[in-house]
Amino acid sequence: EPEVTQTPSHQVTQMGQEVILRCVPISNHLYFYWYRQILGQKVEFLVSFYNNEISEKSEIFDDQFSVERPDGSNFTLKIRSTKLEDSAMYFCASSDGDRGFGETQYFGPGTRLLVL
Amino acid sequence: AQKITQTQPGMFVQEKEAVTLDCTYDTSDPSYGLFWYKQPSSGEMIFLIYQGSYDQQNATEGRYSLNFQKARKSANLVISASQLGDSAMYFCAMREENTGNQFYFGTGTSLTVIP
Repeated sequence: EPEVTQTPSHQVTQMGQEVILRCVPISNHLYFYWYRQILGQKVEFLVSFYNNEISEKSEIFDDQFSVERPDGSNFTLKIRSTKLEDSAMYFCASSDGDRGFGETQYFGPGTRLLVL
Repeated sequence: AQKITQTQPGMFVQEKEAVTLDCTYDTSDPSYGLFWYKQPSSGEMIFLIYQGSYDQQNATEGRYSLNFQKARKSANLVISASQLGDSAMYFCAMREENTGNQFYFGTGTSLTVIP
């Protein structure tokens, strides 16, 4: 069964460093998403991406975040200058985009980011 | 106001028994979808079941069923014949037709299945 994959599974970085989190969505999906989950809290939406551009973003997704689909398979989240409060689990998700509010988003296993 | 409310931070259930995890939602959009995800201790988010706002029947997927009460704006997950592997966090989520394609998640319920 096709699945969303994410690398790395864990990342430790120093405050102020740039990190790139990578995702390979399900191959025939058209919509891609990033969410984050701070330890012990609920999952929060960051950004959605369709047709090579951001379709919506939350207020969390400020100028230090960016997303890119550099090729036909990868979808990346870049955090330019990490802060302590960026420590969280980051989930990538994808959906096929043809069922409106009924379309299921399939999540990857997450990248646990720790900023020291 | 919270779009998704899960009022049970933790639940315990005896193995082989059924358990209901509560979820209420808040929306003025007539078109919406409700989703349940399971998050084991390893962290991944596993899709379990979906209910659409116009669905006449409650959704079922194997041992999972959704008790959808539209007038009460509740979408409770029922797990029948609990197994030890069901121990996990469970999240209810909603997507509205008119507010884009983001999911709104609740705070989750931690389920522990007791042997």
